[in-house]
Amino acid sequence: GENVEQHPSTLSVQEGDSAVIKCTYSDSASNYFPWYKQELGKGPQLIIDIRSNVGEKKDQRIAVTLNKTAKHFSLHITETQPEDSAVYFCAARANSGYALNFGKGTSLLVTP
Amino acid sequence: GAVVSQHPSRVICKSGTSVKIECRSLDFQATTMFWYRQFPKQSLMLMATSNEGSKATYEQGVEKDKFLINHASLTLSTLTVTSAHPEDSSFYICGWTSGTGEQYFGPGTRLTVT
Repeated sequence: GENVEQHPSTLSVQEGDSAVIKCTYSDSASNYFPWYKQELGKGPQLIIDIRSNVGEKKDQRIAVTLNKTAKHFSLHITETQPEDSAVYFCAARANSGYALNFGKGTSLLVTP
Repeated sequence: GAVVSQHPSRVICKSGTSVKIECRSLDFQATTMFWYRQFPKQSLMLMATSNEGSKATYEQGVEKDKFLINHASLTLSTLTVTSAHPEDSSFYICGWTSGTGEQYFGPGTRLTVT
């Protein structure tokens, strides 16, 4: 089955700096790669996703890049703010009828 | 983004009792939905995949007779934890897949079994 690895497990940045979280996946059939933000005590919130026919996608301060050949994708957050502090999860999936396979999460801390 | 509701948000129950968690998709209808649980500082662990009108498919190690899933309609699913024990204490999260393939999660239910 699919195996998703996520790094780093913790990341601390200064407010205004950029943060990058990287994930790799094993199943070449995977074609959908979402990113979720989870705040303490809440459910995961979809923040951005990318499909395999696209190499990069941006939404304001957030961007995701995908390298299908290398089987890795990354989340980039620019101009970080304290409210970006949360746990971020990457995921991968081959078919919408299947469940997402999650990475282990990255705890991001943005210090003022 | 799409909205998924879960009730209750928190529940405390005594060992041996049963607890029902309700999950609703408020913005779209979906045939397939998923139940996950999450232990502290860990990722989401898939418990079962549920298709409306058919029996749920449980992941290895998840007891189907203990975690009863009723996928009542295209917008409502319930998870009943039967004869709960302290080791069932966890954060339970439901997820629905929209028609365009995005998966949206509920706010979660914190279950504490004493």
